Amino acid sequence: SAVISQKPSRDICQRGTSLTIQCQVDSQVTMMFWYRQQPGQSLTLIATANQGSEATYESGFVIDKFPISRPNLTFSTLTVSNMSPEDSSIYLCSVEGRGEGYTFGSGTRLTVV
Amino acid sequence: AQSVTQPDIHITVSEGASLELRCNYSYGATPYLFWYVQSPGQGLQLLLKYFSGDTLVQGIKGFEAEFKRSQSSFNLRKPSVHWSDAAEYFCAVGPPRDDKIIFGKGTRLHILP
Repeated sequence: SAVISQKPSRDICQRGTSLTIQCQVDSQVTMMFWYRQQPGQSLTLIATANQGSEATYESGFVIDKFPISRPNLTFSTLTVSNMSPEDSSIYLCSVEGRGEGYTFGSGTRLTVV
Repeated sequence: AQSVTQPDIHITVSEGASLELRCNYSYGATPYLFWYVQSPGQGLQLLLKYFSGDTLVQGIKGFEAEFKRSQSSFNLRKPSVHWSDAAEYFCAVGPPRDDKIIFGKGTRLHILP
């Protein structure tokens, strides 16, 4: 299965600032998925990133708040913009590994103060 | 509507005892089912998956799950738990490739010594 390197692993940020999270995959993948896991909650899909096109956002998530880049088939970034304490969560990227199931990065634990 | 229900938020078992975590799903097409484990502060690790074939699926760490179409269930089992199994367990349903999967709310497993 694919191996994902996600960074940073954690960060503490001031409200009103932005944080960019990076995911690097060790193989080429068509789609990458970005999830949010709020404290004590399950995973919620933010958006799906396809190389060469705009990301597709789920209901409740907008591009201005969570801009995504997908410059090639092995890399993607998610930016959390104009952060507030409500954005404190774990953010995870995921890819599908050629029929072997979905692999997740180790997550970015974000705290907004 | 597609959904996953994990009816038990918390489960406590004694070390060495058997375990069963419940998962029920609602999915419009042939379901592809997954169980993931998340240890504290960690990302998600795939325990096992069901795509087709034998309805009893073996996974890593001694876990198994049984797909029962008539009951729309995919329960996770382990004959004898270890203290290291204490974690959050997520059931998920979706397509096998390149599309979003839907997660249940998770079951937190506690192990008594």
